[in-house]
Amino acid sequence: DAGVIQSPRHEVTEMGQEVTLRCKPISGHNSLFWYRQTMMRGLELLIYFNNNVPIDDSGMPEDRFSAKMPNASFSTLKIQPSEPRDSAVYFCASSSHGSNQPQHFGDGTRLSIL
Amino acid sequence: AQSVTQPDIHITVSEGASLELRCNYSYGATPYLFWYVQSPGQGLQLLLKYFSGDTLVQGIKGFEAEFKRSQSSFNLRKPSVHWSDAAEYFCAVGPLTGGGNKLTFGTGTQLKVEL
Repeated sequence: DAGVIQSPRHEVTEMGQEVTLRCKPISGHNSLFWYRQTMMRGLELLIYFNNNVPIDDSGMPEDRFSAKMPNASFSTLKIQPSEPRDSAVYFCASSSHGSNQPQHFGDGTRLSIL
Repeated sequence: AQSVTQPDIHITVSEGASLELRCNYSYGATPYLFWYVQSPGQGLQLLLKYFSGDTLVQGIKGFEAEFKRSQSSFNLRKPSVHWSDAAEYFCAVGPLTGGGNKLTFGTGTQLKVEL
């Protein structure tokens, strides 16, 4: 079975540019999560969706970050404009709905903002 | 609010030795508990989970964990470590009722295996 698929795997861009990260969750999963991982702050939940609806975006750092889930099989995380401090590994995870359902992670996008 | 503490940032063990990684949680009720492993350049992979019932749970790759309510702990163990177990390990606790399946993760323990 295909797992969570993220693209691109690596992204290097200059500050001020728009960055779009993509995620395809596991088919049949109806919860989707975006995380950011850095050495300094560890793993942080940015936002999560249930049935394509954003439920909790309290982790989104600021208005430069936005996330969408137009359908059950696709989500994007956009940063505009990007800044060097946004450099991190961004993970997408999905799960079936329910408090006891584990999250399945993609391999992440390593983002470097120069 | 729930929280997870992994008191050991780094642990080094010799190959073949036993391993125990500590995890303590703060939670208002019986939690859902998870252990994940992250190898370099990869995402987090589920090792095992606890919801209810038998407090000793078995996972993949020979790992097990024991839920101890009295100690608010969910420590991960392996009787004999292999060099390929070198990775970062995360403990996570499940949400309050109505919180969906949002998890709170610990800060991770980096495991180094000496040959």
